[in-house]
Amino acid sequence: AQTVTQSQPEMSVQEAETVTLSCTYDTSENNYYLFWYKQPPSRQMILVIRQEAYKQQNATENRFSVNFQKAAKSFSLKISDSQLGDTAMYFCAFMSPAGGTSYGKLTFGQGTILTVHP
Amino acid sequence: NAGVTQTPKFQVLKTGQSMTLQCAQDMNHEYMSWYRQDPGMGLRLIHYSVGAGITDQGEVPNGYNVSRSTTEDFPLRLLSAAPSQTSVYFCASKGRGPYEQYFGPGTRLTVT
Repeated sequence: AQTVTQSQPEMSVQEAETVTLSCTYDTSENNYYLFWYKQPPSRQMILVIRQEAYKQQNATENRFSVNFQKAAKSFSLKISDSQLGDTAMYFCAFMSPAGGTSYGKLTFGQGTILTVHP
Repeated sequence: NAGVTQTPKFQVLKTGQSMTLQCAQDMNHEYMSWYRQDPGMGLRLIHYSVGAGITDQGEVPNGYNVSRSTTEDFPLRLLSAAPSQTSVYFCASKGRGPYEQYFGPGTRLTVT
């Protein structure tokens, strides 16, 4: 079974600065998908960024980027130029590819509450 | 498209009561699932379905039943509510692509 660990329960950052959220995972699979989800106070789950394990290039979506270290099983999220609207809970999640034992099922980390201060 | 809808948004139950959390999607997705969210534990999979008539257990299935009679609907039943089932419940549906996971708005359930 896969496990996902987020070791930072809470983080804070000043507006316009950069912050990095950590995530480690454990799996015996070679190919898989990794995600970062954002959950604002509205409770809605919003996909922020995704990474396929077979791709060496780190994913980037505007101000959000990841540092994917497959050998270390690490998947951190960097938020640049932080904005007040980035204040939310952030979850790291794992999913097996099609045909894998956990395809379609997301395994989540514990979450990190990020607060952006003005 | 309405996406994934859940009702109710909030619910308070007494221990031992039963209820059904409703979930519906209008995207013709085969894969649907239920998660519960608890502080410090992230979201955990309760049950899932890969198509009408097919359901299976996730990580924390005890105390919950599901059925899938149609592609659109995937209700979650609590037969005898317990305080340990106080949580926020999310329904999700997944399209064909690996990134197409859509979540409902959640139901906050309190069992007293």
